[in-house]
Amino acid sequence: QVQLQGSGPGLVKPSQTLSLTCTVSGASISSGAYYWTWIRQHPGKGLEYIGYIYYTGNSYYNPSLKSRVSISMDTSKNQFSLKVNSVTAADTAVYYCASGDTSGWSLDYWGQGTLVTVSS
Amino acid sequence: QAVLTQPSSLSASPGASASLTCTLRSGINVTTHTIYWYQQKPGSPPQYLLRYKSDSKNQQGSGVPSRFSGSKDASANAGILLISGLQSEDEADYHCMIWHNSGCVFGGGTKLTVL
Repeated sequence: QVQLQGSGPGLVKPSQTLSLTCTVSGASISSGAYYWTWIRQHPGKGLEYIGYIYYTGNSYYNPSLKSRVSISMDTSKNQFSLKVNSVTAADTAVYYCASGDTSGWSLDYWGQGTLVTVSS
Repeated sequence: QAVLTQPSSLSASPGASASLTCTLRSGINVTTHTIYWYQQKPGSPPQYLLRYKSDSKNQQGSGVPSRFSGSKDASANAGILLISGLQSEDEADYHCMIWHNSGCVFGGGTKLTVL
């Protein structure tokens, strides 16, 4: 059973960089059987796709966020990470790491979510 | 216009059935897309329910009861999540999703109230 644990600061100042990490257990992020995503949810709103990374290291992003985000992976730690640059209050949200298998492309596994508040 | 549109809320009685719709934007054909459905309860991450492309290409999430099922209304260009035999525990937000242009897109979610 794949388990995801997100971690990172809950408070980030405007214009700075938001950095989150997702630690994976129960599967190898180097496996081509899975893909690894970041999703966020603004308070009281719906889900917003940020991007995903594949075992090859190739990453794909929401066009609306592409200029400010990057997703990377550390196979030695079985982790993948998110960075969002130049944050504003509009980036305040719960950030979820999630994954699914590449046979069906559903998001079967979710982390517990990290609330990130952008405020000075 | 949003890629996926869901009604913001829906109410139904215990024991009844609820039909939640997910309408695709004009120009995006529901018949060629797999619709994914997720349930989210307050304070928890979403949970995968099922995916539906056709009667022969669909999958129930692990442990998801069979009273949750998917379908499509091609004339309305919409995916449908049908929940039969509603229970109080089904009260939650329901999100639909598709893969579109190499990324996933979510609807705004429907808050289902069971009363």
